Amino acid sequence: DIQMTQSPASLSASLEEIVTITCQASQDIGNYLSWYQQKLGKSPQLLIHSATSLADGVPSRFSGSRSGTQYSLKINRLQVEDTGIYYCLQHYSAPYTFGAGTKLELK
Amino acid sequence: EVQLVESGGGLVQPGRSLKLSCLASGFTFSNYGMNWIRQAPGKGLEWVASISSSSSYIYYADTVKGRFTISRDNAKNTLYLQMTSLRSEDTALYYCARARRPLDYFDYWGQGVMVTVSS
Repeated sequence: DIQMTQSPASLSASLEEIVTITCQASQDIGNYLSWYQQKLGKSPQLLIHSATSLADGVPSRFSGSRSGTQYSLKINRLQVEDTGIYYCLQHYSAPYTFGAGTKLELK
Repeated sequence: EVQLVESGGGLVQPGRSLKLSCLASGFTFSNYGMNWIRQAPGKGLEWVASISSSSSYIYYADTVKGRFTISRDNAKNTLYLQMTSLRSEDTALYYCARARRPLDYFDYWGQGVMVTVSS
């Protein structure tokens, strides 16, 4: 099974700050990587698909990048509404695997 | 508007069975793959099962293989998860989610339905 190592587990950042969350895949998964945001008490929502493509309706301050088997989610100019838990997902092969999540809070 | 509405959850004793449903609307259900993902209380997300648009391809997590069965009825726009031999570790909020095809990302999620396995 493919393991997704997500870091950091938690993060506290200030308004307008730049935030980066990373997922490391245990093997090559190409661009079969997506990012999700889950706000408290809500369902996860798609942010980024295909490693770098912004999902419909997602603010442009969110971006995704890839370097080999390392994937990053970047939030430019952090806003209040960006707090929540962020997950990466590999869907290159079954069983699909999520990262453990990153809890993002405002400082 | 795409909508996914799960139902069928509840409290069930260990070893018993339960069947979840996910009613889809706002899109052509028969054109999309569907998935079940669960989240234990206070924990992260765990993918459970996937089914292709025509039910030709089905995948399961090892933790549920042999106990859970994913299925769909395209005429009723409904996805199912038949859960048998339930264990306490199956206690979770179960989400259904849409994907364009097998091995694809999940672009829409339902609100989730709670399953509690306890005596």
